Amino acid sequence: GAGVSQTPSNKVTEKGKYVELRCDPISGHTALYWYRQSLGQGPEFLIYFQGTGAADDSGLPNDRFFAVRPEGSVSTLKIQRTERGDSAVYLCASSPEGIVRETQYFGPGTRLLVL
Amino acid sequence: AQKITQTQPGMFVQEKEAVTLDCTYDTSDPSYGLFWYKQPSSGEMIFLIYQGSYDQQNATEGRYSLNFQKARKSANLVISASQLGDSAMYFCAMREGLGSNYQLIWGAGTKLIIKP
Repeated sequence: GAGVSQTPSNKVTEKGKYVELRCDPISGHTALYWYRQSLGQGPEFLIYFQGTGAADDSGLPNDRFFAVRPEGSVSTLKIQRTERGDSAVYLCASSPEGIVRETQYFGPGTRLLVL
Repeated sequence: AQKITQTQPGMFVQEKEAVTLDCTYDTSDPSYGLFWYKQPSSGEMIFLIYQGSYDQQNATEGRYSLNFQKARKSANLVISASQLGDSAMYFCAMREGLGSNYQLIWGAGTKLIIKP
């Protein structure tokens, strides 16, 4: 498909485990964003990539969260030592260049549940 | 302080009526963009409409229009001739700056339910 894809769509894990969430952006989009959406709230920004580099990671809540985009396309959000408070929908978005006017196109999200 | 405020947690509207969803924002940056997204129960964020701070005219996209009142810092979404498929969460979001600030700042959303 032509849109942003995310896998897995759902992930259930136990407290303390490590998880990886994958995002495949729209082909050719250099900008990639991760957001977290808790139940009943709007999304919160986590991190932004321009190409392979993290241009802004100011939204990552702590050092348990890390994200990579080694080849400037697919990105992986990694969460170590998961906590129940990490349960949320993790949304990935991409845009062509990352400029202000650009629409960010979102994937369907990964629903993470930490038991 | 909240940067994006959506004061209507929920709204019920009769099918075929027009509906206005409120959004006020707070920024000191003269350059910013305002976005509206729709999130159906499936969870995917769907872009609806964009308004730039320097745009002279209010944005329109099909049945969606944005009532942009810069002095009041409001950017209300108007949906004309509502349809059952419009039932969803609606989020207002803002992006500040000319290029150094990449994140979207989001409101809490409004849940819109269209009644048949």
